[in-house]
Amino acid sequence: AQSVTQLDSQVPVFEEAPVELRCNYSSSVSVYLFWYVQYPNQGLQLLLKYLSGSTLVESINGFEAEFNKSQTSFHLRKPSVHISDTAEYFCAVSGAGSYQLTFGKGTKLSVIP
Amino acid sequence: NAGVTQTPKFQVLKTGQSMTLQCAQDMNHEYMSWYRQDPGMGLRLIHYSVGAGITDQGEVPNGYNVSRSTTEDFPLRLLSAAPSQTSVYFCASSYGGAITEAFFGQGTRLTVV
Repeated sequence: AQSVTQLDSQVPVFEEAPVELRCNYSSSVSVYLFWYVQYPNQGLQLLLKYLSGSTLVESINGFEAEFNKSQTSFHLRKPSVHISDTAEYFCAVSGAGSYQLTFGKGTKLSVIP
Repeated sequence: NAGVTQTPKFQVLKTGQSMTLQCAQDMNHEYMSWYRQDPGMGLRLIHYSVGAGITDQGEVPNGYNVSRSTTEDFPLRLLSAAPSQTSVYFCASSYGGAITEAFFGQGTRLTVV
């Protein structure tokens, strides 16, 4: 079984400032890690994922996340946020051989002009 | 480019009524799933299917039924609606289970009064 903890339910940040959204996981098997984003009144979209290989993964819109096995973390970062980044972000985990995604409770990112 | 289509978008039910939430995907994905999203709870898996004729329970299956007679369709049935089932419901599909990108529908907002 696996679980995900997102440490902040809401993160306000000024436009062009950096942001970090924290995610910790627990699992008894090898894990695959994901960040999904949900814009208002929409479904979730995949932002980035870690399956294997390089521990630093990037999205096309400037977000990055680093898989840290020793700290069981997969924090999401962006060096300079934009108004359009306002959304809810979900960290998710699945285990080797599993068909199920386990989601965290989400972090609402509010970018302040 | 329909992707995952959910109907209806909004629904109000009276306690005890039954209804079916529809989900269809046109990407020939084998894996489909239903989640409910509640404030501060993230997404919780209700039921999932790894192919036509195969379904299984997720984290919160009570009060819901599913069937998968075709690859494309995965309806969710509420047998006797209760106020605790007031939620936003998302259907998702993916090609290869949890390690591949999950595509989400736009959601169905259900209110049970």
